[in-house]
Amino acid sequence: SAVISQKPSRDICQRGTSLTIQCQVDSQVTMMFWYRQQPGQSLTLIATANQGSEATYESGFVIDKFPISRPNLTFSTLTVSNMSPEDSSIYLCSVEDVGPRANYYNEQFFGPGTRLTVL
Amino acid sequence: QKEVEQDPGPLSVPEGAIVSLNCTYSNSAFQYFMWYRQYSRKGPELLMYTYSSGNKEDGRFTAQVDKSSKYISLFIRDSQPSDSATYLCAMAGRLSSGSARQLTFGSGTQLTVLP
Repeated sequence: SAVISQKPSRDICQRGTSLTIQCQVDSQVTMMFWYRQQPGQSLTLIATANQGSEATYESGFVIDKFPISRPNLTFSTLTVSNMSPEDSSIYLCSVEDVGPRANYYNEQFFGPGTRLTVL
Repeated sequence: QKEVEQDPGPLSVPEGAIVSLNCTYSNSAFQYFMWYRQYSRKGPELLMYTYSSGNKEDGRFTAQVDKSSKYISLFIRDSQPSDSATYLCAMAGRLSSGSARQLTFGSGTQLTVLP
């Protein structure tokens, strides 16, 4: 089972600035995902990041606003660019890895999240 | 209409109570049904996983899926204060590889079990 860490755990930023969130996994994984969790709302997938290829963004999310890097099989970054108060949210990294529950289903494991507040 | 609707709560119960958490969905392509538990300031962790319809039991937890009604439930027996968390349902369709990657989440139900 993958263990995921994220940096920073929280940050308070000014409008118009950018923040880069780091996600580190303790094992090599192919699929990494970035989610946003806004207060009282469900987790929303921002993009899927595979090593060696461009990230795939979900409807409503664009690369200029949320550029993603995936330099190797254990690390990824998400940048929240030109931030506004509407970007205040928890950002979660997750990976797909073999879990203990099923031999044909790869679990998604989540990092602890980065709590972002934009003033 | 959201693809997945979850009872918003919050829900507060006394220790030892039976808790019922529910989600409904509209996408008939969903094949994998999951319940995640999220403690405060932590990421979600997989609690229960069910493929297609039926029941699954794991200790004090039972997951039920009724695909004909597009309705899933999580029951917690003998609830404990340590069960206090937000519970999120999640669903996914089937890919040819057999893994379910594109998860669609409910908005979560915040549960408090009072000692």
